[in-house]
Amino acid sequence: GENVEQHPSTLSVQEGDSAVIKCTYSDSASNYFPWYKQELGKGPQLIIDIRSNVGEKKDQRIAVTLNKTAKHFSLHITETQPEDSAVYFCAASTGGSYIPTFGRGTSLIVHP
Amino acid sequence: EAGVAQSPRYKIIEKRQSVAFWCNPISGHATLYWYQQILGQGPKLLIQFQNNGVVDDSQLPKDRFSAERLKGVDSTLKIQPAKLEDSAVYLCASSPLGNEQFFGPGTRLTVL
Repeated sequence: GENVEQHPSTLSVQEGDSAVIKCTYSDSASNYFPWYKQELGKGPQLIIDIRSNVGEKKDQRIAVTLNKTAKHFSLHITETQPEDSAVYFCAASTGGSYIPTFGRGTSLIVHP
Repeated sequence: EAGVAQSPRYKIIEKRQSVAFWCNPISGHATLYWYQQILGQGPKLLIQFQNNGVVDDSQLPKDRFSAERLKGVDSTLKIQPAKLEDSAVYLCASSPLGNEQFFGPGTRLTVL
């Protein structure tokens, strides 16, 4: 089955800095890569996603890149704000099942 | 639009006791998922329903876990008997036919 590795497990930045979270996946058939933000006491919320026919996608301060050859994908957050503090999960899924395999999460802390 | 509702939010039980969780998905969403999220890990799928039929329950420990979705709307997840390793957050999610998943707030289960 699919295996998703995520790094780092904890990321601490100053407000205004950029944050980068990296993931790798094992199944070359995976073609959908969502990113979720989970705040304390809440369920994960989709913040951005990318499909395998696209190399990069951007939405305001958030961008995701995908390297299919290397099986890497990354989340980039620019101009971080304290409200960006949360746990971020990458995930990968295959075909039409849309059942994502999640990474272990990155705890992002943005210091004001 | 109302989100995915789950109850209870918290539950503490002794090992070998039984427990049940309830989920009410977003109106009109055909697909419903139950995930188990152990502390420090990403969510892991337990079971997926399409309307009131099971699509995937390959990771559900069927000797102790059961789930049903009557009339294709609400769903319940039951654990009987509970073990210490069942301590986790149980997340319910719904989606309109395999697109973006919307997660509920989860039920935090502690087994003593």
